[in-house]
Amino acid sequence: AQSVTQPDIHITVSEGASLELRCNYSYGATPYLFWYVQSPGQGLQLLLKYFSGDTLVQGIKGFEAEFKRSQSSFNLRKPSVHWSDAAEYFCAVGAEEYGNKLVFGAGTILRVKS
Amino acid sequence: EAQVTQNPRYLITVTGKKLTVTCSQNMNHEYMSWYRQDPGLGLRQIYYSMNVEVTDKGDVPEGYKVSRKEKRNFPLILESPSPNQTSLYFCASSLANSGRVFFGQGTRLTVV
Repeated sequence: AQSVTQPDIHITVSEGASLELRCNYSYGATPYLFWYVQSPGQGLQLLLKYFSGDTLVQGIKGFEAEFKRSQSSFNLRKPSVHWSDAAEYFCAVGAEEYGNKLVFGAGTILRVKS
Repeated sequence: EAQVTQNPRYLITVTGKKLTVTCSQNMNHEYMSWYRQDPGLGLRQIYYSMNVEVTDKGDVPEGYKVSRKEKRNFPLILESPSPNQTSLYFCASSLANSGRVFFGQGTRLTVV
């Protein structure tokens, strides 16, 4: 079965600093990988996704993520964080053999210091 | 506009009083599902449906029912809600095996 681990429950960064949120997954074949963001009181917004091909994926709001098969990781990065990036971030994994089910990590809450 | 619509957005109810959360999508998607979101646990799948009249349990189905009588609608039914079902609920839809999942805006349910 698929599983997703986000090791960091909370992360605090200063505005303008770089950001990396970690995500590790467990799945035998090549999964579909996603990052979602949820602002307080809001729904889920898709930041980026990886299905196949180039392992460095560009998303919205200046985010990118890199799929590393050897490390079973899909870490999310942003070179310069803005105060409006404060939110909760979820990594999720899907797979063709599991239909359209997504398995989510527990989430990482990002705080931005001014 | 392509969307998944859930109603209500907020609901406070009492233990044991049956309720239904509706979900509708306008994209002719075959696949629909329900998730619940709890702090520290992320989102977990409750039930899913591969097409009309085809439903199956997800990871946390206890205490919930669903039906899929029409392709566009996938209501979530709590026959006898309990406080441990207090949560944020999301409906989702997608084309079969597309990997592109659309989420509703969420329903915040409180059971007292």
